[in-house]
Amino acid sequence: EVQLVESGGGLVQPGGSLRLSCAASGFTFSNYWMTWVRQAPGKGLEWVANIIQDGGEKHYVDSMKGRFTISRDNAKNSLFLQMNSLRVEDTAVYYCARGWAVDSWGQGTPVTVAS
Amino acid sequence: QSALTQPASVSGSPGQWITISCTGTNSDVGGYKYVSWYQQHPGKAPKLVIYEVSNRPSGVSHRFSGSKSGNTASLTISGLQAEDEADYYCSSFTSIKNWVFGGGTRLTVL
Repeated sequence: EVQLVESGGGLVQPGGSLRLSCAASGFTFSNYWMTWVRQAPGKGLEWVANIIQDGGEKHYVDSMKGRFTISRDNAKNSLFLQMNSLRVEDTAVYYCARGWAVDSWGQGTPVTVAS
Repeated sequence: QSALTQPASVSGSPGQWITISCTGTNSDVGGYKYVSWYQQHPGKAPKLVIYEVSNRPSGVSHRFSGSKSGNTASLTISGLQAEDEADYYCSSFTSIKNWVFGGGTRLTVL
């Protein structure tokens, strides 16, 4: 069974940083693209970024380029999202998801950016 | 990249069928076979119900089907059941190698 467990969310002030983690199990992590998707409170889904199997190719939504960095550690079956210069509008639940075309989702970790 | 356009809400009675549209451009929906649909119940993570326009993952009811014509993809749910009441999102690969979601559609089973 595919399991994706996010962690690292919380309350941070505007301008601050957070590093989200996702622990993957139940499948061969190194065989899959991985993706981050977020959902602001009461809003729809927003694709954030994805990363190829070996980490050598990454794509970001324009509004987060330069502030967010996706990475992975295949030895530890882990996906990461480093978020810098956080803004109030980055407040959302952040989902870790499997695949280039997402086919499985974690339960999400909430991030609140507020002073 | 602009979000794909979905109706805000649709409704139907048990046993009926409904269709949710997802309209994009030649740079996303119209240009690729990579359109997915997700179901999300309140407070839960999304679940994949259709991938590559019209394919159903293992375990998803045959009542769910997908199609595409030009720049518009569609999700059809037949034989509506109370458990189908949820939010539905489409998603498409884009020409700038990102993915984009639709704004979401709230399905109400009357």
